Amino acid sequence: AQSVTQPDIHITVSEGASLELRCNYSYGATPYLFWYVQSPGQGLQLLLKYFSGDTLVQGIKGFEAEFKRSQSSFNLRKPSVHWSDAAEYFCAVGARAGANNLFFGTGTRLTVIP
Amino acid sequence: DAGVTQSPTHLIKTRGQQVTLRCSPKSGHDTVSWYQQALGQGPQFIFQYYEEEERQRGNFPDRFSGHQFPNYSSELNVNALLLGDSALYLCASSDLRLGQGATDTQYFGPGTRLTVL
Repeated sequence: AQSVTQPDIHITVSEGASLELRCNYSYGATPYLFWYVQSPGQGLQLLLKYFSGDTLVQGIKGFEAEFKRSQSSFNLRKPSVHWSDAAEYFCAVGARAGANNLFFGTGTRLTVIP
Repeated sequence: DAGVTQSPTHLIKTRGQQVTLRCSPKSGHDTVSWYQQALGQGPQFIFQYYEEEERQRGNFPDRFSGHQFPNYSSELNVNALLLGDSALYLCASSDLRLGQGATDTQYFGPGTRLTVL
């Protein structure tokens, strides 16, 4: 069965510092992987996605993520965090064939200190 | 280009009542999926509609039902509301006709916050 684990419930970083949010997935085949961001009271905005090819993917707002099959991980990174990045971040995995539903982790809440 | 829209924004109901939530997909999209996001949790897949039929369903009881109209818009209905149904209900749209594999990119609406008292 598909599942996603985001081990960090809450992370606090200083503005300008680097960021890495962890995501581990469990899936029997090659997965489709996504990172979404959710601001308070808002829906989900897609940051980036991995389907195939280059394992380092670039997204919006300066975010990137690296797919590591051997570690079943898809960690999100940003070299320099801005105060506006404070939000909830969700990693999700989808099936490669036959389904269009996503399985989400429980999210990581990011707090940015000025 | 309008994104995914949902109505209403907020809704308060009492236990045992029925509720209908509405979603209009992003322009050009033909598939609508519904998710339930309880407080402090990630979204959970309820079901997906394509060509006016339910194509996939998550682990939700039959009290949750839906409909898709010819213009691709969709409704989520929940009967016999329970306190545990209080959540943010998210609609996501995608375009299966793009043929990029089973999981095309889903775009989410702002959600409907349902409170059951």
